[in-house]
Amino acid sequence: DAEITQSPRHKITETGRQVTLACHQTWNHNNMFWYRQDLGHGLRLIHYSYGVQDTNKGEVSDGYSVSRSNTEDLPLTLESAASSQTSVYFCASSETRAGATEAFFGQGTRLTVV
Amino acid sequence: AQRVTQPEKLLSVFKGAPVELKCNYSYSGSPELFWYVQYSRQRLQLLLRHISRESIKGFTADLNKGETSFHLKKPFAQEEDSAMYYCALRSGGSNYKLTFGKGTLLTVNP
Repeated sequence: DAEITQSPRHKITETGRQVTLACHQTWNHNNMFWYRQDLGHGLRLIHYSYGVQDTNKGEVSDGYSVSRSNTEDLPLTLESAASSQTSVYFCASSETRAGATEAFFGQGTRLTVV
Repeated sequence: AQRVTQPEKLLSVFKGAPVELKCNYSYSGSPELFWYVQYSRQRLQLLLRHISRESIKGFTADLNKGETSFHLKKPFAQEEDSAMYYCALRSGGSNYKLTFGKGTLLTVNP
């Protein structure tokens, strides 16, 4: 079955370190997204991609970067982790076909920056 | 800019009671609206989208363009409905990203 998986599920890192969160989907979707989930803020979009070599900033992109070298993967990199980036991160993917644009989510990565 | 507002952070009802989770949006065009549900420690999953006009797990939602609302309703709540519910908007066309509300935590008491 097609799916979207994130790794690691849990990560503890130190302030200032570079961290990369992986996202892999086998849906063959063109669209991929990274959100962070925080109490009181809901889900906020960090970065997104509509295809290979395409990346775009979301509403909370500062301190994060992504790259899209193939259809299946959209890794999220925290260049220099900060305590404010402690959060739960969700990756999602979706189709471009009309009537089927709902997003499918990964199981989340809980990141703690100490 | 588009915005999704869920006015209730918390909603508590008793089993068998009706439940309504409110969602209002601001967008000048013709958006696509969704409800997502997140059960404890699980991933978000799609519950409803307005274009399908279907009932899932007893939930329905009608898009009211005049009131810019997409409220989620269920006539008889069940304990297994306890979860976090998010309303989301896609502005349409070639824009596929979703704007989410802040979520409503529904607790159904026995």
